[in-house]
Amino acid sequence: SQQGEEDPQALSIQEGENATMNCSYKTSINNLQWYRQNSGRGLVHLILIRSNEREKHSGRLRVTLDTSKKSSSLLITASRAADTASYFCATDANGGFKTIFGAGTRLFVKA
Amino acid sequence: DTAVSQTPKYLVTQMGNDKSIKCEQNLGHDTMYWYKQDSKKFLKIMFSYNNKELIINETVPNRFSPKSPDKAHLNLHINSLELGDSAVYFCASSQTGLGEQYFGPGTRLTVT
Repeated sequence: SQQGEEDPQALSIQEGENATMNCSYKTSINNLQWYRQNSGRGLVHLILIRSNEREKHSGRLRVTLDTSKKSSSLLITASRAADTASYFCATDANGGFKTIFGAGTRLFVKA
Repeated sequence: DTAVSQTPKYLVTQMGNDKSIKCEQNLGHDTMYWYKQDSKKFLKIMFSYNNKELIINETVPNRFSPKSPDKAHLNLHINSLELGDSAVYFCASSQTGLGEQYFGPGTRLTVT
């Protein structure tokens, strides 16, 4: 079964607003990653958070990880139209080499 | 320079045919992957290789045969193509099996 599941499935916001996406997973992990996919393109790595970290920032991105709840959230602050994309969380399994992606959240930022 | 490249970008073929997709990375990474993304955007790992050795084969039909001639290349050959094989196939690489992955642009395979 799928390791990572995200909600919401889709999110539509106005430019300048914040966007929050959540991810849940089922087994213990070494790290959790977030990726972005623009339409018709490959995935682009955004941020990696290790299992012993609780929060991480990168520019307008803030990721939290709660290993007790097996969940993570990605916050994009002051969103821009260019942030329109699908966002996926990914967790490792089998000690690595097997990355499990969530179903993704489709974010639409209206200008 | 493109970090991870795939060819071809589009592939349209008929059922029963055999086709190959090539992948190359110039990042010096040890680990390479093949993923399948279906029409609902769900991304599923198919294979992972580390230093040319197969590490993960995620219950993929044996019509799919990956080959890694060296650490920089991981090709995917598909025999007897079926309608259900239609998808976007992504190649990716990472320095280790736990690190961030760099994805290729994808190959959209359409089987008619």
